Parts: sequence; structure tokens; C-alpha cells
Amino acid sequence: QKEVEQDPGPLSVPEGAIVSLNCTYSNSAFQYFMWYRQYSRKGPELLMYTYSSGNKEDGRFTAQVDKSSKYISLFIRDSQPSDSATYLCAMSAVGGGYQKVTFGTGTKLQVIP
Amino acid sequence: NAGVTQTPKFQVLKTGQSMTLQCAQDMNHNSMYWYRQDPGMGLRLIYYSASEGTTDKGEVPNGYNVSRLNKREFSLRLESAAPSQTSVYFCASSFTGEVNTEAFFGQGTRLTVV
Repeated sequence: QKEVEQDPGPLSVPEGAIVSLNCTYSNSAFQYFMWYRQYSRKGPELLMYTYSSGNKEDGRFTAQVDKSSKYISLFIRDSQPSDSATYLCAMSAVGGGYQKVTFGTGTKLQVIP
Repeated sequence: NAGVTQTPKFQVLKTGQSMTLQCAQDMNHNSMYWYRQDPGMGLRLIYYSASEGTTDKGEVPNGYNVSRLNKREFSLRLESAAPSQTSVYFCASSFTGEVNTEAFFGQGTRLTVV
């Protein structure tokens, strides 16, 4: 079993829809949770970062962590065609350093105009 | 503002050939990383350099070597390429090696070994 599981999609939604992207994990030591966005043929770029549990909002994006269920989510409100990309979740334990970040396989999202 | 620059962008190698992937960053970052990305596998760390003068193995180091040439440059070498090394390779850098600092990725090198 992988430490981090992520549905690969693809997920197709109409423009303006609310998108929910999710990851589950098995390592209870994970405390740092990240979402990266990767456009086709580009490198990943950090979208949002949270520490421990709770929600974090940044514009149209909300990251949610439920440590009791070992489940994290990224919500995108009012989705736009420019949001079409692959979204990677990533996580790490405290003290592990960046070299200990574990990435999900990514969910491909397509927002249709 | 270039960020992290990787060369080449594409490469086809024959089995047994060698090559070096180059990476340079202009953000004065201390830490640099090499990842490979394969379908269904996510990003996997090959090697990293926490600071100039140090390198360490990551999750999948076999078949690779690295050199931290200076603070800016971190190269990845395949001594004898194998088809299993067909992948997309990403270089990344961060200010520190701590997970709460943002890592910046290059645009990737698409390598095919035939």
C-alpha cells in the first residue's frame, strides 16, 4: 500500500463548478500538507501549504486537512479553464526535511469552457 | 528571472550510453534536488544536496550519480542508461532543506532510453 493515495482522474468539470480533489494517507506522522499544480509539460509549482489540521483559504482555493481520517482535500471555487492541470498532493512528517516529502501521483483536472 | 533551469529538455539515449543532466538555479538557494516522475508513481527523489558540498541518496538512487558543482549547479549523471530510466526528470531547489520552505521546480527533462 502506498503511503499517499490519490485518484488519477481525469476529472472533467464545466467552468464555474466547485472542484474537490482528495488524497488519503497512511502515515500518522505526517504533519505538513501541500498541494502542487502542474501544467502540461511543466514542473510542479506550490499552490498551498498547511501545517497540521484545519482549513486554509487562498482566493478561490481552500485546503482542508482531517488528520483523524487521514484525508486531505483541495477545493477550487468558480473553476476556470486556466485551472486545467494536474494537482499533486504532498506531505511530510515533522523534522523530516524537504527530502522526506512524499508526493501523490496527481489528479488530472480539465475545466471545460 | 529564470528560477530553475534544466538542460536538455529532451533526450533520446541508447541502452548503455551515458549522459549528464544539468540544473542551475539563480535564487541563491542552499538545497537542491533531483526527482523522476513516472506515470502512476508520483515524484520520487533520486538524490538531494542539502547545502553546497554535500549530497545524499534519496528514494531511488541506483543507476545515478550527482555532483553539486557550486551553490547554483547540481548535475545528475546516468553512467550506463537503461530502459527503466525512461522518465521525466525534475530538478528543484529550496532556500533551506526544511519542508516548510517552498521548493521551486524546473521544467523537466524528458528522457527516453531505447
